[in-house]
Amino acid sequence: GENVEQHPSTLSVQEGDSAVIKCTYSDSASNYFPWYKQELGKRPQLIIDIRSNVGEKKDQRIAVTLNKTAKHFSLHITETQPEDSAVYFCAATITGNQFYFGTGTSLTVIP
Amino acid sequence: GAGVSQSPSNKVTEKGKDVELRCDPISGHTALYWYRQSLGQGLEFLIYFQGNSAPDKSGLPSDRFSAERTGGSVSTLTIQRTQQEDSAVYLCASSPDSRTGNTIYFGEGSWLTVV
Repeated sequence: GENVEQHPSTLSVQEGDSAVIKCTYSDSASNYFPWYKQELGKRPQLIIDIRSNVGEKKDQRIAVTLNKTAKHFSLHITETQPEDSAVYFCAATITGNQFYFGTGTSLTVIP
Repeated sequence: GAGVSQSPSNKVTEKGKDVELRCDPISGHTALYWYRQSLGQGLEFLIYFQGNSAPDKSGLPSDRFSAERTGGSVSTLTIQRTQQEDSAVYLCASSPDSRTGNTIYFGEGSWLTVV
C-alpha cells in the first residue's frame, strides 16, 4: 500500500516568516493530495488540496506544490500568524480508495 | 447542513469491557472512514466503507475491532474486550463519493479512555 512520510515533525517560526512542510509518497498511482489542519482538541479540517494533473495551487497565504516525478508535495504558508499554530497533516490517495496520512507536523508561530 | 456527528464524545471504560462508537455521516455521503489517533500521533486508518461495496478492513488492528454500516448511513465501531492501548481518539469521516476524488470531512471524534 501507499506510504506517506512527512517532515519536519515540529516546526517553529517567527510571526511573519514562511513555513514549509514536505511530504513524500510511494505509490505513483496516487492522484489526490489534501492537507489538513488540526487545532488542539479539534477535528482535522481541510485547508488546501491538489490533484495530480496540477503542479501548484494557491489560496491566499497557503500554497501547495506537487512534483509527481519525485513523488513529493509541499505545503507553504507565507506571512505566518499565531493562529496558524496547529498540527498539519498531509495525505495521499488513489481516487476511490482510503486516504493515507502523514504523521503530522506541529507548527508553532512565535509572536 | 450538519457535519459528521459522532457519539459519545467521551467514553471511559474499564479494561475488558466492550464499547460501541457511533458515526452519523453527512447526509448523502456514500463513503465513510474510521481512523484512530493516539495522543500526539498521526491518523491510523481502520476501515473504509464505500456505498454497498465490501468494506476495506485492512486497517483493523485485531479481531477485537469490528465495524458495520447499516443502510449505507450510520456506522458503529465496536471494540471488544478493551485494552489500555485502545485509548485514543476515534475519528470518523465521510465524503460524497470517494470514487470521484472528493475529499473527506471529519467528525469531532470519540475520546476513548480505557482504565
